[in-house]
Amino acid sequence: IVMTQSPATLSVSPGERATLSCRTSQSISNNLAWYQQKPGQAPRLLIYGASTRATGVPVKFSGSGSGTEFTLTISSLQSEDFAVYYCQQYDNWLPITFGQGTRLEIK
Amino acid sequence: QVQLVESGGGVVQPGRSLRLSCVASGFTFGRYAMHWVRQAPGKGLEWVAVSSFDGTIEYYAESLRGRFTISRDNSNSTLYLQMNSLRPDDTAFYYCAGRAYYFDYWGQGTLVTVSS
Repeated sequence: IVMTQSPATLSVSPGERATLSCRTSQSISNNLAWYQQKPGQAPRLLIYGASTRATGVPVKFSGSGSGTEFTLTISSLQSEDFAVYYCQQYDNWLPITFGQGTRLEIK
Repeated sequence: QVQLVESGGGVVQPGRSLRLSCVASGFTFGRYAMHWVRQAPGKGLEWVAVSSFDGTIEYYAESLRGRFTISRDNSNSTLYLQMNSLRPDDTAFYYCAGRAYYFDYWGQGTLVTVSS
């Protein structure tokens, strides 16, 4: 399953909302996760099941979608939210694939 | 608290082998599938392999099958990755991750550099 994230880079001003997209080459139901990765750190799980926030993840992060189209929305952007975001599918378990990432940068 | 600590990375010549380890603590390691995920410097994430909770089932990324072997020792809460016939494009940070087929636990990664 091929994952396509868009845009590759997203420039947003602090306090605004960011909308990141992930598209899959075939339907994966809701078997999609989102991760945040900051420089020099391991990825951090944000969302699984397309829309369920992981433990400790603020409500400003929300996921939606099913089938082949998914969205991660981050509201009221703060400095710590600027990072790279990856989607990952786990439909039919294996092989697991990741999107190429969206870099969220400060405008 | 949950910890995954990888080790075993370093600089290795092309064609040589390396074994990575990941020691887990803070959760019941033997109840969960565990994975290796890698990331070439400045690049995206690539899933490598998974070991079922009891180690009886393994699955690999197609491009790595035959060169890499995942294994685990549940008595010592340790996950391994044996990497053979290493190539320069295997250069990456290697993370162990768990606990399901999305990853809520990650180690800090260990860097493998394949270079002559």
